[in-house]
Parts: sequence; structure tokens; C-alpha cells
Amino acid sequence: DAGVTQSPTHLIKTRGQQVTLRCSPISGHKSVSWYQQVLGQGPQFIFQYYEKEERGRGNFPDRFSARQFPNYSSELNVNALLLGDSALYLCASSLGNTAVGDYNEQFFGPGTRLTVL
Amino acid sequence: AQTVTQSQPEMSVQEAETVTLSCTYDTSESDYYLFWYKQPPSRQMILVIRQEAYKQQNATENRFSVNFQKAAKSFSLKISDSQLGDAAMYFCAYRRRFNAGNMLTFGGGTRLMVKP
Repeated sequence: DAGVTQSPTHLIKTRGQQVTLRCSPISGHKSVSWYQQVLGQGPQFIFQYYEKEERGRGNFPDRFSARQFPNYSSELNVNALLLGDSALYLCASSLGNTAVGDYNEQFFGPGTRLTVL
Repeated sequence: AQTVTQSQPEMSVQEAETVTLSCTYDTSESDYYLFWYKQPPSRQMILVIRQEAYKQQNATENRFSVNFQKAAKSFSLKISDSQLGDAAMYFCAYRRRFNAGNMLTFGGGTRLMVKP
């Protein structure tokens, strides 16, 4: 079975531009989460989507937005790029949401490396 | 807010030896999960081991085991019989058990080097 896939692998943009990153979850998984990992640091949570609705949002500005499609794939959009947005963007999928306390393992994709010049 | 701290930026171990990576966390919750993830140069984050806070028994997965000290808010990872393939970044992570969605809070990571 295919794991979590992300596209593109690498991306170079200039300041002020907009970027869209894509994630396809493992077949059957309905939840997608996005994380930003700046070089030398641990990942930071950006968003979680479950059944096409936002279920969680980290401490990121409104320049960051996301959506989930009927097939459970997801896009992360970042507007007005800043140099500080340069990072590895990780997508993780899981079967469901954990609001009721059930454990759902998250499976991570290989990430998209974004460089902002 | 929850925080996770890994105080060892780098660790080194001889092949076949044992190494322990440290992690401390801060939370006001009583029910949560703790994780160790491995991130090799390929960048893909892989779950190594999971601990439920409500379980007193320390989790074990083959060569990997944890020392979970809830009162001290400490969660260390022991790797026995280290192998060259264990070389990677290791991240400690926390997640509330209820009403947290899937949000993970990660530490800053420890780079593990394995010497042949």
C-alpha cells in the first residue's frame, strides 16, 4: 500500500509569492495534519483537517490556510511568503480524529522542502 | 500550553552499545500520550514507540524501551544493541488524549550518531 505522498518534493519561491503544497493520505485515512519543520528544529503543528473540516489550528498567521477535498487529500496554501517560511512542510494522515480519546497513529509523508529567496 | 524539551542536541554511541536519549515535558493534563519519532536523512518521520500516561508499565518495542516517570515529567528512550541504521534525528512528542485532535507537540530533537 502506498504511504502518505506529498508534492512537490522541493520548491523555490521568492518573497511575496504564494505557494500551494499537496498531500495525499493513506487510502482509508480521513484525517490530515500539516506541520512546519524549520531547519534544526522539531516540527510545529499548523492545521488538522478531518472529514473536510478544520479540527485544529496552531499558532500560525492567517497567511497560512488549508483545505481538504472529498477524497481526503489536502492542500496547504501560504500567501505573501517570507524568508522565515523556508522549511520542510510535513503532512501526516490518520484513520480518524481523536476527540474521543481513541488512539490513531499518524503516518508522515516525506515532506516538501520550501525555500524562499 | 504544553512544552517538550530535549536537552541533548547530539549523542554518539558505539555500534552494539546502549544509548539513552532524554526528554522532559510540561503539561497540566493527566491523560496524554508520549512518543519517540525517528527522522532519518530521508526526512520521513517514523514512529518508534508510544507510551500512554495512564499506563504505569514502560513501553518496549524490540531494542527500544522507555523510562516514563510521570511525576517527574520525564520520558527517556533507551536503544539497546545500537545499529548503524539507528543513526538519525530523534524527536520526543506529546499529545493530549482528549479534545486535542491529532496535534503533536515536538521537542527540538537529538541527533544520534552511531560509530562502527
